[in-house]
Amino acid sequence: DAGVIQSPRHEVTEMGQEVTLRCKPISGHNSLFWYRQTMMRGLELLIYFNNNVPIDDSGMPEDRFSAKMPNASFSTLKIQPSEPRDSAVYFCASSLDRGLYEQYFGPGTRLTVT
Amino acid sequence: QQQVKQSPQSLIVQKGGISIINCAYENTAFDYFPWYQQFPGKGPALLIAIRPDVSEKKEGRFTISFNKSAKQFSLHIMDSQPGDSATYFCALTLKQGAQKLVFGQGTRLTINP
Repeated sequence: DAGVIQSPRHEVTEMGQEVTLRCKPISGHNSLFWYRQTMMRGLELLIYFNNNVPIDDSGMPEDRFSAKMPNASFSTLKIQPSEPRDSAVYFCASSLDRGLYEQYFGPGTRLTVT
Repeated sequence: QQQVKQSPQSLIVQKGGISIINCAYENTAFDYFPWYQQFPGKGPALLIAIRPDVSEKKEGRFTISFNKSAKQFSLHIMDSQPGDSATYFCALTLKQGAQKLVFGQGTRLTINP
């Protein structure tokens, strides 16, 4: 049984470049979450989709960040233009509606912006 | 905004000892109190969760205690093992608005052999 799949696992890019992170949730899960983890700020929720619709994007830092979920099996998080302060590990997680506290996290994408 | 305050930030325990991690919350609009465990290079994974109408839940060596009047909940790891070395996050699910998980800052636990 495949878990949440994220790609790429590592991304190194230069400031100003566009970065796209990808996520495939667990089949049958209808909620998807994007998190950012840093030493300073811990684990922060960026955006939350339910049935492919964005429910809460209050955690998205600024307009440089955008997220989409075109279908139930795919989501992207895009940063354009990227900045060094965006360097972090980005996690995607999915859950069933009724088990919202039980989220399944992917392995994360470690982003480094130089 | 709802906050969860977790302590300590780091903890070193000898093998066989008891590890205790505490969390305090401010509001009362919640559903569940889960704990997540994260190993280096991995995503967090649900370890154990408790409902607010239960004061204690035990799964193997892991126990959650919940004190509603004090607005605190804690994780106890009995007979701590080196394999328990990881970062632990408490969390709670908000009832108000869009339900989501709010995480504590994390506790880095090291079990010395």
